Amino acid sequence: QVQLQESGPGLVKPSETLSLICTVSGYSITSGFYWGWIRQPPGKGLEWIGSIFHDGTTNYNPSLKSRVTISVDTSNNHFSLRLTSVTAADTALYHCARQSVSTNSFDPWGQGTLVTVSS
Amino acid sequence: DIQMTQSPSSVSASVGDRVTITCRASQGIYSWLAWYQQKPGKAPDLLIYGASNLQSGVPSRFSGSGSGTDFTLTISSLQPEDSATYYCQKANAFPLTFGQGTRLEIK
Repeated sequence: QVQLQESGPGLVKPSETLSLICTVSGYSITSGFYWGWIRQPPGKGLEWIGSIFHDGTTNYNPSLKSRVTISVDTSNNHFSLRLTSVTAADTALYHCARQSVSTNSFDPWGQGTLVTVSS
Repeated sequence: DIQMTQSPSSVSASVGDRVTITCRASQGIYSWLAWYQQKPGKAPDLLIYGASNLQSGVPSRFSGSGSGTDFTLTISSLQPEDSATYYCQKANAFPLTFGQGTRLEIK
């Protein structure tokens, strides 16, 4: 059974870089799916951040593209998110999820990790 | 970019009611649409993909329909555990976009 777990600092200072890891268990990250990051500000809706294939091919939300880097580590079966120059608007619950290549739907999702941007 | 608009933003219904949530795309997306259910404090769960395909394990009272720009999620007989927020997501191409969500409350 595939499971995803986000990890990383829960507090980041303004202008600094947010870094998160999504560890995948029960499934090989090289087995033909995209792997995505989605965030949800407190009390608000879902925003797709970006997705990566195991060969390193990435796609990003145009509104975040200049600040986002998603990378994959196949040897450790995890993928990562870096978001630079964060502001309070980046405070959110950050989810990782497996994305079907054939349907572009996300399943399953990690439980999410709350990142607060504050000094 | 294609925008996704859901209506209503919130709905209240009774157990046993038939409930319909609508999602409209600003441009045609064929049948490239997914629906998710999110309960408070939980991650979203995939309900429907390809506009009308029920994800494995999802109760059959959930169904999806539509193509092009107009889509619906229907719950045929509302159950107490269906209280949640529902999101649609365009899936035809990057960038992927979600609707703003519909909050479903049980009366």
